[in-house]
Amino acid sequence: DAGVTQSPTHLIKTRGQQVTLRCSPISGHKSVSWYQQVLGQGPQFIFQYYEKEERGRGNFPDRFSARQFPNYSSELNVNALLLGDSALYLCASSSPGWENTFGSGTRLTVV
Amino acid sequence: DQQVKQNSPSLSVQEGRISILNCDYTNSMFDYFLWYKKYPAEGPTFLISISSIKDKNEDGRFTVFLNKSAKHLSLHIVPSQPGDSAVYFCAASAPDQTGANNLFFGTGTRLTVIP
Repeated sequence: DAGVTQSPTHLIKTRGQQVTLRCSPISGHKSVSWYQQVLGQGPQFIFQYYEKEERGRGNFPDRFSARQFPNYSSELNVNALLLGDSALYLCASSSPGWENTFGSGTRLTVV
Repeated sequence: DQQVKQNSPSLSVQEGRISILNCDYTNSMFDYFLWYKKYPAEGPTFLISISSIKDKNEDGRFTVFLNKSAKHLSLHIVPSQPGDSAVYFCAASAPDQTGANNLFFGTGTRLTVIP
């Protein structure tokens, strides 16, 4: 069984640009969450989606947005990139009774 | 504010000995606690969890202890093996009316098991 897959694995963007990160959950998992992990810190919750609806939002600016598609895959969008947005972006999928399973992440570098 | 704290950034242990990783939290609404293990270039992997109605949960070489009055939990690994070398994250969640299960993570402890 495929785990949580994220694309791309690495990305370099310039300040002010926009970026879209993609996540495919484990088959059968209907919930997808996004986390940001800055170097030296633990992951920080950004969004959770369940059945295509936003279930939770962390303390992130409106430049961050996400959506979930009918096949339960998800995209995270970040507009007007700042240097401080450089981080590892982790996607996790879950199902009732199962813990969050994380993908390997997308390493975003903003220059 | 950091609601989950891991005050030891690193820990070195001899192979075969016990590793004890500690975690403190400030939010009394947290009712579920987890430990994740992370290798470089991989996402965190779930290791073990404990509900706030318990004070101990054991799974093979891994045991998690919860002290609610002290808002403290610990992960014991015994015996430690070189393959246990990784960064360990403590995480917690609180009940949410929307059904969200977002996790609050600590900053991690890098465990090195010396052969």
